[in-house]
Amino acid sequence: AQSVSQHNHHVILSEAASLELGCNYSYGGTVNLFWYVQYPGQHLQLLLKYFSGDPLVKGIKGFEAEFIKSKFSFNLRKPSVQWSDTAEYFCAVVNTGGFKTIFGAGTRLFVKA
Amino acid sequence: DVKVTQSSRYLVKRTGEKVFLECVQDMDHENMFWYRQDPGLGLRLIYFSYDVKMKEKGDIPEGYSVSREKKERFSLILESASTNQTSMYLCASSAPPRDYGYTFGSGTRLTVV
Repeated sequence: AQSVSQHNHHVILSEAASLELGCNYSYGGTVNLFWYVQYPGQHLQLLLKYFSGDPLVKGIKGFEAEFIKSKFSFNLRKPSVQWSDTAEYFCAVVNTGGFKTIFGAGTRLFVKA
Repeated sequence: DVKVTQSSRYLVKRTGEKVFLECVQDMDHENMFWYRQDPGLGLRLIYFSYDVKMKEKGDIPEGYSVSREKKERFSLILESASTNQTSMYLCASSAPPRDYGYTFGSGTRLTVV
């Protein structure tokens, strides 16, 4: 069965620190990969997505993610976090042609001002 | 912009009540989904629908049913609410193969007492 594993449940960083959130998935076929973000009190929204092509994907607010097929990974990065990045981040996978998106358990990021 | 609207932001219901959660999307998306979100468990799929009157069980369908009589509306029904169904319920829609990404509603926080 497909699964998505996020390495950290809680991450605490100071402003200007660099961020990397790990995400690994288990599925052997062609996949579409996503990172969603949920800011406090707000609904889930798409941060970035990978379908094909350049494995380095840039999203909103300075986030990027790199798809490494050989490692089944899609890690999220940001060079310098801000207090406003405090949120919960979800990695998600759907196989091409499929209906269901599988979500990771989420990583709660807290950025100290 | 695609909008997914959930009818209630907060609900409090009594054990044994029949509960209806409504979701409407306005972009003609074929696929609609109901998830529940619980801390540390991420998003778990309850039911999804890929067409009018079509429905498929997700990972945790027990105690729930759904209805999709019109393309834009997908209802989640708790037949007899129980305290372990206290959760945040999220509706989402998507339109593959154009886009596998989800658009989420704001969520309904249901408390069963």
